[in-house]
Amino acid sequence: DGGITQSPKYLFRKEGQNVTLSCEQNLNHDAMYWYRQDPGQGLRLIYYSQIVNDFQKGDIAEGYSVSREKKESFPLTVTSAQKNPTAFYLCASSIGLAGGPAGELFFGEGSRLTVL
Amino acid sequence: GDSVTQMEGPVTLSEEAFLTINCTYTATGYPSLFWYVQYPGEGLQLLLKATKADDKGSNKGFEATYRKETTSFHLEKGSVQVSDSAVYFCALSSNTGKLIFGQGTTLQVKP
Repeated sequence: DGGITQSPKYLFRKEGQNVTLSCEQNLNHDAMYWYRQDPGQGLRLIYYSQIVNDFQKGDIAEGYSVSREKKESFPLTVTSAQKNPTAFYLCASSIGLAGGPAGELFFGEGSRLTVL
Repeated sequence: GDSVTQMEGPVTLSEEAFLTINCTYTATGYPSLFWYVQYPGEGLQLLLKATKADDKGSNKGFEATYRKETTSFHLEKGSVQVSDSAVYFCALSSNTGKLIFGQGTTLQVKP
């Protein structure tokens, strides 16, 4: 079945460590996104990518980095510079940019990161 | 900039009650509007959408009408079930090509 796979589902990290969250899609979508979800704050956009080898900062990119070397993959690295990294992270993809007629984002099941 | 405001939760209802979750937006141009639902422990999935004024989106008994004059897109369902318990997000497609989400409203339906 087509979809988005995020791993790991749960991750624990010590302060000062970088961690990388995986996101893979087999929907042949051009655009991919990373969102952060905190209780009561909705979803905030971290980074997004429209095409391979290109990506843009979202609203809260500080302390995060991404790469888009393959169409199917859009990993997110949470660096030690991120002050408050404990959160639920959601990866999504869409046929084109979300402002287009399709508009629909397809989400993975999320990765919950806890910093100890 | 563009923004979405939802009513605060949690909303607690008994089974078969009528549901309304309010959503208003601020946007330049003519955005598309969406409702997404997140069941416990899962990612979000699209519930319904409307792409122009006066459009009504509907799915699984839920409805929402794009009201340009009141800049609203309220979610309604005539008779909720326990299985509808989830977090509901209103969103709009901004002219920068990104989806802007509201803060989410938690719905709890009791038997």
